[in-house]
Amino acid sequence: QKEVEQNSGPLSVPEGAIASLNCTYSDRGSQSFFWYRQYSGKSPELIMFIYSNGDKEDGRFTAQLNKASQYVSLLIRDSQPSDSATYLCAVTGGSQGNLIFGKGTKLSVKP
Amino acid sequence: NAGVMQNPRHLVRRRGQEARLRCSPMKGHSHVYWYRQLPEEGLKFMVYLQKENIIDESGMPKERFSAEFPKEGPSILRIQQVVRGDSAAYFCASSPRDGGWNTEAFFGQGTRLTVV
Repeated sequence: QKEVEQNSGPLSVPEGAIASLNCTYSDRGSQSFFWYRQYSGKSPELIMFIYSNGDKEDGRFTAQLNKASQYVSLLIRDSQPSDSATYLCAVTGGSQGNLIFGKGTKLSVKP
Repeated sequence: NAGVMQNPRHLVRRRGQEARLRCSPMKGHSHVYWYRQLPEEGLKFMVYLQKENIIDESGMPKERFSAEFPKEGPSILRIQQVVRGDSAAYFCASSPRDGGWNTEAFFGQGTRLTVV
């Protein structure tokens, strides 16, 4: 059974700080990795995807991938209260490309 | 993404009734994925369909659940004889091809099913 593990949190950071969200996955053959943000009662929205080892930056967001350690993370710089949400890590796992999601980490950014 | 339309947004059913959830994919998308999200849980894959075909139903419960994606019209997720444990948010996502999660696949707003 392919699994994606995340710390459920809540993770609380002060406004302006760096929030660090972590994720591990069980299938060493996973190729594609995604971070979604989900506000309470809303649908998931894609923040970033990463395929290669290393860092990928997009604005205040940086995704980091280490395939040897089967570890992917998301850094949010200059955190804002509007970043308060649940962050879902996902990997492609099925033979037909469906995503396997972690349970999500709840982030709270305090003003 | 507003382009993937799910209805109803909220559905209340009594135990034993049937629930029908509809998903209209974005224009030009012929691939639909259904996911279920229990309270305080991540999304669990249920079924992947293309027009008139079920491609992968490995996440579907063996009984009471079925899905279809006809040539014309929306994809339907049907739950017969609902039980309290079926209460969840059901999301569909559509894509123009297998996967496409990086740029082309989007989720609908979901249907919140409450079984009373």
